Amino acid sequence: EPEVTQTPSHQVTQMGQEVILRCVPISNHLYFYWYRQILGQKVEFLVSFYNNEISEKSEIFDDQFSVERPDGSNFTLKIRSTKLEDSAMYFCASGDVFTDTQYFGPGTRLTVL
Amino acid sequence: AQSVTQLDSHVSVSEGTPVLLRCNYSSSYSPSLFWYVQHPNKGLQLLLKYTSAATLVKGINGFEAEFKKSETSFHLTKPSAHMSDAAEYFCVAVSGTYKYIFGTGTRLKVLA
Repeated sequence: EPEVTQTPSHQVTQMGQEVILRCVPISNHLYFYWYRQILGQKVEFLVSFYNNEISEKSEIFDDQFSVERPDGSNFTLKIRSTKLEDSAMYFCASGDVFTDTQYFGPGTRLTVL
Repeated sequence: AQSVTQLDSHVSVSEGTPVLLRCNYSSSYSPSLFWYVQHPNKGLQLLLKYTSAATLVKGINGFEAEFKKSETSFHLTKPSAHMSDAAEYFCVAVSGTYKYIFGTGTRLKVLA
Protein backbone atom coordinates (compact mmCIF):
# COMPACT_ATOMS: atom_id res chain seq x y z
CA GLU A 1 0.00 0.00 0.00
CA PRO A 2 1.44 3.40 -0.92
CA GLU A 3 2.51 5.59 1.96
CA VAL A 4 4.00 8.97 2.71
CA THR A 5 7.61 8.84 3.81
CA GLN A 6 9.66 11.45 5.64
CA THR A 7 13.37 11.90 6.23
CA PRO A 8 15.13 12.21 8.54
CA SER A 9 13.17 10.67 11.40
CA HIS A 10 15.05 12.84 13.88
CA GLN A 11 17.04 16.02 13.25
CA VAL A 12 19.09 17.82 15.85
CA THR A 13 20.37 21.29 15.00
CA GLN A 14 21.81 24.35 16.61
CA MET A 15 19.76 27.52 16.95
CA GLY A 16 20.18 29.74 13.91
CA GLN A 17 20.99 26.90 11.54
CA GLU A 18 18.96 26.04 8.45
CA VAL A 19 17.17 22.72 8.25
CA ILE A 20 15.38 21.00 5.40
CA LEU A 21 12.78 18.36 6.17
CA ARG A 22 11.96 16.03 3.33
CA CYS A 23 8.81 14.23 2.39
CA VAL A 24 7.86 11.89 -0.44
CA PRO A 25 4.07 12.05 -0.87
CA ILE A 26 1.94 9.31 -2.38
CA SER A 27 2.71 9.35 -6.08
CA ASN A 28 -0.66 10.30 -7.61
CA HIS A 29 -1.53 12.89 -4.98
CA LEU A 30 -1.58 16.55 -5.88
CA TYR A 31 -2.24 18.26 -2.54
CA PHE A 32 0.54 18.50 0.02
CA TYR A 33 0.59 19.73 3.60
CA TRP A 34 2.89 20.34 6.54
CA TYR A 35 1.72 20.22 10.14
CA ARG A 36 3.63 20.41 13.37
CA GLN A 37 3.07 19.15 16.88
CA ILE A 38 4.98 20.78 19.73
CA LEU A 39 5.42 18.32 22.58
CA GLY A 40 2.27 18.13 24.64
CA GLN A 41 0.27 20.36 22.29
CA LYS A 42 -2.18 19.81 19.47
CA VAL A 43 -1.24 19.22 15.85
CA GLU A 44 -1.22 22.57 14.03
CA PHE A 45 -1.56 23.32 10.34
CA LEU A 46 1.41 25.08 8.76
CA VAL A 47 0.89 25.18 5.01
CA SER A 48 -0.87 23.61 2.07
CA PHE A 49 0.55 23.36 -1.43
CA TYR A 50 -1.09 22.66 -4.77
CA ASN A 51 -0.09 23.19 -8.37
CA ASN A 52 3.40 24.33 -7.38
CA GLU A 53 2.25 27.12 -5.13
CA ILE A 54 1.12 27.71 -1.57
CA SER A 55 -2.66 27.45 -1.25
CA GLU A 56 -2.88 28.51 2.37
CA LYS A 57 -0.53 29.16 5.26
CA SER A 58 -1.02 29.73 8.95
CA GLU A 59 0.36 32.61 11.01
CA ILE A 60 3.05 30.22 12.23
CA PHE A 61 4.40 29.96 8.69
CA ASP A 62 6.39 33.18 8.66
CA ASP A 63 9.28 34.28 6.44
CA GLN A 64 11.59 31.77 8.11
CA PHE A 65 9.64 28.92 6.53
CA SER A 66 9.45 27.90 2.91
CA VAL A 67 8.21 24.90 0.96
CA GLU A 68 9.26 23.50 -2.34
CA ARG A 69 8.57 20.64 -4.67
CA PRO A 70 11.98 20.50 -6.32
CA ASP A 71 11.23 17.49 -8.50
CA GLY A 72 8.29 15.23 -9.24
CA SER A 73 8.49 13.31 -6.00
CA ASN A 74 9.89 15.30 -3.08
CA PHE A 75 8.15 17.97 -1.01
CA THR A 76 10.40 19.90 1.36
CA LEU A 77 9.98 22.24 4.31
CA LYS A 78 12.88 24.60 4.95
CA ILE A 79 13.38 26.56 8.14
CA ARG A 80 15.93 29.24 7.37
CA SER A 81 17.16 30.12 10.85
CA THR A 82 15.87 27.77 13.49
CA LYS A 83 14.70 28.93 16.91
CA LEU A 84 14.31 26.95 20.09
CA GLU A 85 10.54 27.13 19.73
CA ASP A 86 10.73 25.36 16.36
CA SER A 87 11.44 22.13 18.23
CA ALA A 88 8.50 19.90 17.37
CA MET A 89 7.36 16.88 15.39
CA TYR A 90 6.72 17.87 11.78
CA PHE A 91 4.23 15.84 9.77
CA CYS A 92 3.89 15.84 6.03
CA ALA A 93 0.58 14.79 4.47
CA SER A 94 -0.73 14.34 0.96
CA GLY A 95 -4.16 14.02 -0.59
CA ASP A 96 -5.77 13.36 -3.95
CA VAL A 97 -8.26 15.44 -5.91
CA PHE A 98 -11.23 13.15 -5.24
CA THR A 99 -11.52 13.19 -1.46
CA ASP A 100 -10.51 15.37 1.45
CA THR A 101 -8.67 12.53 3.16
CA GLN A 102 -5.05 13.24 3.97
CA TYR A 103 -2.41 10.58 4.45
CA PHE A 104 0.32 11.34 6.92
CA GLY A 105 3.97 10.43 7.07
CA PRO A 106 5.62 9.16 10.26
CA GLY A 107 6.98 12.60 11.10
CA THR A 108 10.37 14.21 11.65
CA ARG A 109 11.25 15.13 15.19
CA LEU A 110 13.21 18.40 15.09
CA THR A 111 15.23 19.33 18.14
CA VAL A 112 16.78 22.81 18.22
CA LEU A 113 19.52 23.30 20.82
CA ALA B 1 -14.49 29.58 12.89
CA GLN B 2 -14.32 25.83 13.02
CA SER B 3 -13.05 24.11 16.11
CA VAL B 4 -12.77 20.61 17.50
CA THR B 5 -12.98 19.79 21.19
CA GLN B 6 -11.91 16.50 22.67
CA LEU B 7 -13.42 16.43 26.07
CA ASP B 8 -10.99 14.04 27.75
CA SER B 9 -7.23 14.34 27.58
CA HIS B 10 -6.78 10.88 29.15
CA VAL B 11 -9.05 7.84 29.25
CA SER B 12 -8.27 4.58 31.04
CA VAL B 13 -10.22 1.38 30.45
CA SER B 14 -9.71 -2.25 31.34
CA GLU B 15 -9.00 -4.71 28.57
CA GLY B 16 -12.26 -6.15 27.25
CA THR B 17 -14.41 -3.21 28.35
CA PRO B 18 -15.97 -0.59 26.05
CA VAL B 19 -14.12 2.49 24.87
CA LEU B 20 -15.70 5.93 24.47
CA LEU B 21 -13.63 8.87 23.26
CA ARG B 22 -15.61 12.07 23.00
CA CYS B 23 -15.39 14.74 20.33
CA ASN B 24 -17.48 17.83 19.67
CA TYR B 25 -17.11 20.12 16.73
CA SER B 26 -18.12 23.65 15.94
CA SER B 27 -18.97 24.51 12.37
CA SER B 28 -21.50 26.49 10.39
CA TYR B 29 -22.03 23.50 8.12
CA SER B 30 -21.73 19.73 8.35
CA PRO B 31 -18.02 19.16 7.99
CA SER B 32 -16.06 16.08 7.05
CA LEU B 33 -14.85 14.53 10.30
CA PHE B 34 -12.10 12.02 10.94
CA TRP B 35 -10.53 10.04 13.71
CA TYR B 36 -6.81 9.35 13.53
CA VAL B 37 -4.71 7.22 15.85
CA GLN B 38 -1.07 7.79 16.75
CA HIS B 39 0.85 4.95 18.33
CA PRO B 40 4.09 5.81 20.13
CA ASN B 41 6.80 6.91 17.71
CA LYS B 42 4.50 6.31 14.75
CA GLY B 43 2.69 8.57 12.33
CA LEU B 44 -1.01 9.37 12.18
CA GLN B 45 -3.15 6.51 10.92
CA LEU B 46 -6.67 7.04 9.61
CA LEU B 47 -9.24 5.15 11.70
CA LEU B 48 -12.44 6.32 10.06
CA LYS B 49 -14.11 9.16 8.23
CA TYR B 50 -17.56 10.75 8.16
CA THR B 51 -18.72 12.44 4.97
CA SER B 52 -22.54 12.57 5.36
CA ALA B 53 -23.27 9.29 3.57
CA ALA B 54 -24.16 7.54 6.86
CA THR B 55 -24.22 8.81 10.42
CA LEU B 56 -22.69 5.62 11.84
CA VAL B 57 -19.24 5.07 10.45
CA LYS B 58 -17.26 1.88 10.86
CA GLY B 59 -13.50 2.02 10.86
CA ILE B 60 -10.55 -0.24 11.26
CA ASN B 61 -9.78 -2.43 14.29
CA GLY B 62 -13.41 -2.54 15.43
CA PHE B 63 -13.80 1.18 16.01
CA GLU B 64 -16.87 3.12 14.98
CA ALA B 65 -18.16 6.65 15.38
CA GLU B 66 -21.59 8.21 15.24
CA PHE B 67 -22.23 11.66 13.84
CA LYS B 68 -24.96 13.49 15.76
CA LYS B 69 -25.73 16.83 14.21
CA SER B 70 -28.11 17.88 16.99
CA GLU B 71 -25.33 17.39 19.54
CA THR B 72 -22.48 18.45 17.19
CA SER B 73 -20.68 15.31 18.31
CA PHE B 74 -18.64 12.59 16.68
CA HIS B 75 -17.73 10.21 19.51
CA LEU B 76 -15.49 7.22 18.88
CA THR B 77 -16.43 3.87 20.38
CA LYS B 78 -15.25 0.29 20.50
CA PRO B 79 -17.15 -2.51 22.24
CA SER B 80 -14.11 -4.24 23.70
CA ALA B 81 -10.70 -2.66 24.27
CA HIS B 82 -7.51 -4.48 23.42
CA MET B 83 -4.06 -3.76 24.80
CA SER B 84 -2.94 -2.75 21.31
CA ASP B 85 -5.50 0.07 21.31
CA ALA B 86 -3.36 2.07 23.74
CA ALA B 87 -2.42 5.18 21.77
CA GLU B 88 -3.33 8.81 21.24
CA TYR B 89 -6.50 9.52 19.29
CA PHE B 90 -7.22 12.70 17.38
CA CYS B 91 -10.57 13.98 16.19
CA VAL B 92 -10.18 16.11 13.07
CA ALA B 93 -12.45 18.39 11.07
CA VAL B 94 -11.76 19.60 7.56
CA SER B 95 -12.05 23.30 6.92
CA GLY B 96 -13.53 24.83 3.81
CA THR B 97 -10.00 25.16 2.43
CA TYR B 98 -9.19 21.49 3.11
CA LYS B 99 -6.77 22.08 5.96
CA TYR B 100 -7.22 19.83 8.94
CA ILE B 101 -8.29 21.21 12.30
CA PHE B 102 -7.18 18.91 15.08
CA GLY B 103 -8.57 18.35 18.52
CA THR B 104 -6.11 18.27 21.41
CA GLY B 105 -6.01 14.49 21.45
CA THR B 106 -7.08 11.81 23.92
CA ARG B 107 -4.53 9.40 25.30
CA LEU B 108 -6.11 5.98 25.76
CA LYS B 109 -4.64 3.66 28.35
CA VAL B 110 -5.72 0.02 28.44
CA LEU B 111 -5.25 -1.80 31.72
CA ALA B 112 -4.64 -5.53 31.85
